[in-house]
Amino acid sequence: SQQGEEDPQALSIQEGENATMNCSYKTSINNLQWYRQNSGRGLVHLILIRSNEREKHSGRLRVTLDTSKKSSSLLITASRAADTASYFCATGGSGNTPLVFGKGTRLSVIA
Amino acid sequence: DGGITQSPKYLFRKEGQNVTLSCEQNLNHDAMYWYRQDPGQGLRLIYYSQIVNDFQKGDIAEGYSVSREKKESFPLTVTSAQKNPTAFYLCASSGTGHNYGYTFGSGTRLTVV
Repeated sequence: SQQGEEDPQALSIQEGENATMNCSYKTSINNLQWYRQNSGRGLVHLILIRSNEREKHSGRLRVTLDTSKKSSSLLITASRAADTASYFCATGGSGNTPLVFGKGTRLSVIA
Repeated sequence: DGGITQSPKYLFRKEGQNVTLSCEQNLNHDAMYWYRQDPGQGLRLIYYSQIVNDFQKGDIAEGYSVSREKKESFPLTVTSAQKNPTAFYLCASSGTGHNYGYTFGSGTRLTVV
């Protein structure tokens, strides 16, 4: 079952610009997480936001969560060529249910 | 360094053959997971285990089997019953309970020849 759905599917920006990716989900959650995947590699955990939080920052990353709209956004400020990757949102439900991942947004940052 | 190791990085399977993908972690995590990734489809859950000697089916368990005899190890067998096994397989581990991020291995790319 695919819970999260990222938008856009692909995004291309110039170095130094900000990149915004969105994630929508369907059912209630305990937390929402964002991951990055470089081509042909495993995923790397970026940030986790709990359902009772509205915004969280980590370095150049800013995540927001709106549980009333069942949506989240990931903002990468002052993007760099090294930020080129796919970004996935994943939702954690009740108990110990495994994370459910979306299909991802492919970000290309052009130097 | 603590981490999660998948091997091999590339694997080729002949028709009708069973193959086993290895996943080992030294993070002392209780939970381990196997996901399959196909182009444009994100990650789909195959099996997961939250404690030794116990595991549960995910969304696409048919044609796969797992074991969890040790906390550190969670091997995945792709059986001949899996008709379309060509994919990128990702193993992950985490603490149990709410609000834990996953640590992923670097993946195994399986190709049917």
